[in-house]
This record gives sequence, structure tokens and C-alpha cells, in this order.
Amino acid sequence: GAVVSQHPSRVICKSGTSVKIECRSLDFQATTMFWYRQFPKKSLMLMATSNEGSKATYEQGVEKDKFLINHASLTLSTLTVTSAHPEDSSFYICSAKGTSGRAADTQYFGPGTRLTVL
Amino acid sequence: AQSVTQPDIHITVSEGASLELRCNYSYGATPYLFWYVQSPGQGLQLLLKYFSGDTLVQGIKGFEAEFKRSQSSFNLRKPSVHWSDAAEYFCAVSASGTYKYIFGTGTRLKVLA
Repeated sequence: GAVVSQHPSRVICKSGTSVKIECRSLDFQATTMFWYRQFPKKSLMLMATSNEGSKATYEQGVEKDKFLINHASLTLSTLTVTSAHPEDSSFYICSAKGTSGRAADTQYFGPGTRLTVL
Repeated sequence: AQSVTQPDIHITVSEGASLELRCNYSYGATPYLFWYVQSPGQGLQLLLKYFSGDTLVQGIKGFEAEFKRSQSSFNLRKPSVHWSDAAEYFCAVSASGTYKYIFGTGTRLKVLA
């Protein structure tokens, strides 16, 4: 139980295009989802926290208009990197937390999405 | 300010040897504590967690961790390491009710055959 998936696992795009990454909780309802960015050999940097049905809360220094987050249902959150540039290339990881069972008090992580912007 | 420190960036052990990964935290109240493992190119898998109660916590894959309030530590241990344990290990802390994590910088474990 408490499985989180991400799609795609890897994406390569041209500079200036937008890329959408999906994060799904497969076997529980995720009231809260988190989006992280991880640089090579570095720790995870929290980008934003999203609660189902409300606007995401972004961490300081994260551009809201650059990284659009939508959490429209209890099992799906999306991160859209708008007008991507090479400096946006990174490993993006989502996590989800539910309200009951084993997912109630712990974040469960997706497998990550490797974004490469050419 | 809240913080998590993993003093060891890299650790190398021989297969079959014991392992201890250190984690120290700075937090005003009793935190929720977690250990996660990340294999190359993968997401994070929860090894174990501590919220309250027994300070020695058992996790998956033969790992355990001990919460020591007096030392503000939550070290991860395994009595006998397997080659498949080679990965990056992250300690994390959160406040009760927020579930917003603060991660340590990670410890990369290398296992020698």
C-alpha cells in the first residue's frame, strides 16, 4: 500500500517549451502532495506543497509562474514547467500524504522524473 | 532554525560488516523522524520512522534506528550489510501536524564485495 507513481519517468524537451509531470497516488487518497527538486548528488529541495482543491504553497525562491502546480483530485497532482530552459534540467520528485492508514502520517515518494532541456 | 545534519557524506563498508549512519537534528519540540533510501535514479523509499514510544525502531530490510533525545540523534543501523544496500540514505525531520520535511544532505553508502 501507499504507492505513488510519476509520469513520465524521463523527458527531453527543447528550450522554450512547457512540460507537464503527473504524480498519482495509486492506492490512497492524497490530501497533500509535495514537489521536490533534486540536483546531482544533492539533497531534495522542497518546491511547493499542494492541498487538494486549493492553491499550492510555494517555498521561498520558487517561481510560481514558472512551476505551475495543480492538485485537482485526491489522487492526482501535476507540475508544469513553463517555458523550460536548460537551467530547469533536474530530477523532480513528488510525494503524497493521505489522511488515513499508513499514508496518514508519512510522505510516500514517487520514482521521480528526469527532465532534460536542450 | 530547524536543521538536520548527516555528518558523513560517504561511507564505505565491506559486505557483511555492520553499519551505522549518523543523523543529528536541531528542533524545538519532539520531531517526527524518518530514514529514506534512494537508489540511483529512483525515488525515496521509507525505511523506518519514529513518532513516539519505544526509542528503538525497526524498519524494512533489516534496518533499525534509535532515537536519543539527549543527543538529538536518530542514527540508522544494520548488523550485516548486503551489496544491495549500496545507495543514498536520507534522514528527515518534520513537525507534528505539518508533515513538511527537512532533509539532511544524505550519506552515500558504498559496499565492498
